[in-house]
Amino acid sequence: AQSVTQLGSHVSVSEGALVLLRCNYSSSVPPYLFWYVQYPNQGLQLLLKYTTGATLVKGINGFEAEFKKSETSFHLTKPSAHMSDAAEYFCAVSAYDYKLSFGAGTTVTVRA
Amino acid sequence: NAGVTQTPKFQVLKTGQSMTLQCAQDMNHNSMYWYRQDPGMGLRLIYYSASEGTTDKGEVPNGYNVSRLNKREFSLRLESAAPSQTSVYFCASSGGGGGGYGYTFGSGTRLTVV
Repeated sequence: AQSVTQLGSHVSVSEGALVLLRCNYSSSVPPYLFWYVQYPNQGLQLLLKYTTGATLVKGINGFEAEFKKSETSFHLTKPSAHMSDAAEYFCAVSAYDYKLSFGAGTTVTVRA
Repeated sequence: NAGVTQTPKFQVLKTGQSMTLQCAQDMNHNSMYWYRQDPGMGLRLIYYSASEGTTDKGEVPNGYNVSRLNKREFSLRLESAAPSQTSVYFCASSGGGGGGYGYTFGSGTRLTVV
């Protein structure tokens, strides 16, 4: 079985500052890893995913994440926060089945 | 736009009432899913359908039933609604098995049971 732990339910950053959202996973087999973003009153939108190959993955809106097997981590970063980045972010993991397991989510607030 | 369509968007039920949440996708995806989202708990899988003609329980199936009507449609039924089923429900679909495709989500159904 796979599981995800997101460290920190709320993160507040200043506009222009680094955004860092932490995700650690547990999986008995090589995982597939995802980050999703949810804007208020909307569904979830895929930001980026890691399946195989390059461990640094670039996604939409300037986000990227690095798969570190030794640390079982898949942290999400963005060098410079924008007001439009205010949302809830979910890390998710799947293996060789059809099911995604989600973390509890991290809400990002961006201060002007 | 192509994607996953959920109806209704909002619903208020009285305890004990029944209802069906509808979901349809037009991306020719094989797999479809129902999740519920509750504050501080992320998304939890209720039921899924890996392919047309199959359905399986997820993490929190109690109180729900599903029907994979055809490749496009996957409905979720609450037979006797309870306040604990107040939640936001998301339908999703995926293009393939093996876990690496990610999901496309609908915009959700906000259900309140009073």
